[in-house]
Amino acid sequence: EAQVTQNPRYLITVTGKKLTVTCSQNMNHEYMSWYRQDPGLGLRQIYYSMNVEVTDKGDVPEGYKVSRKEKRNFPLILESPSPNQTSLYFCASSRPGLGNIQYFGAGTRLSVL
Amino acid sequence: GENVEQHPSTLSVQEGDSAVIKCTYSDSASNYFPWYKQELGKGPQLIIDIRSNVGEKKDQRIAVTLNKTAKHFSLHITETQPEDSAVYFCAASIGGTASKLTFGTGTRLQVTL
Repeated sequence: EAQVTQNPRYLITVTGKKLTVTCSQNMNHEYMSWYRQDPGLGLRQIYYSMNVEVTDKGDVPEGYKVSRKEKRNFPLILESPSPNQTSLYFCASSRPGLGNIQYFGAGTRLSVL
Repeated sequence: GENVEQHPSTLSVQEGDSAVIKCTYSDSASNYFPWYKQELGKGPQLIIDIRSNVGEKKDQRIAVTLNKTAKHFSLHITETQPEDSAVYFCAASIGGTASKLTFGTGTRLQVTL
């Protein structure tokens, strides 16, 4: 079954404590992306990756890092989380190019206290 | 960059009625317009999409129309059912090797019995 798997699904942490949200896809997709979803703002792209070792900033990259060492994995790293990073995060993957469907994970709800 | 506006933010219809959600985009170079449905606790899922060389596309009870001159596109759901209740997002993309989507802010559709 085609899947984008995020872990954990829920996370409560404190300001400044480094955390990593993992994302894995089993569809051999080249393109992967992270979004955050906030009420009234829709989904905003944080970072994306066109392929292994190729990453670039999206619209709201501040405070986040990513890596793409393997094609299937695209972890999101918060080195020093702050309360304004409390949000619902989604990972997505697709083949590159116009019209290719983006498949989303089930989401990670993060609360930073 | 691209900016996508979506209206209304909430929409309540009676079962069997039609629902229309409208989006406008700012970048005339955008040429791919998907619609995603997000059910509670899940990630967004593609329900229909349209490319800029097509004015209308239909899939059973769902249709999308595109007006490139006015830079707006709409989702039409006919004969609504309770299972249509969800949050709907429109998005726009400029074609090419990148799959970057710019999302609207979402419409919460409630279908009442």
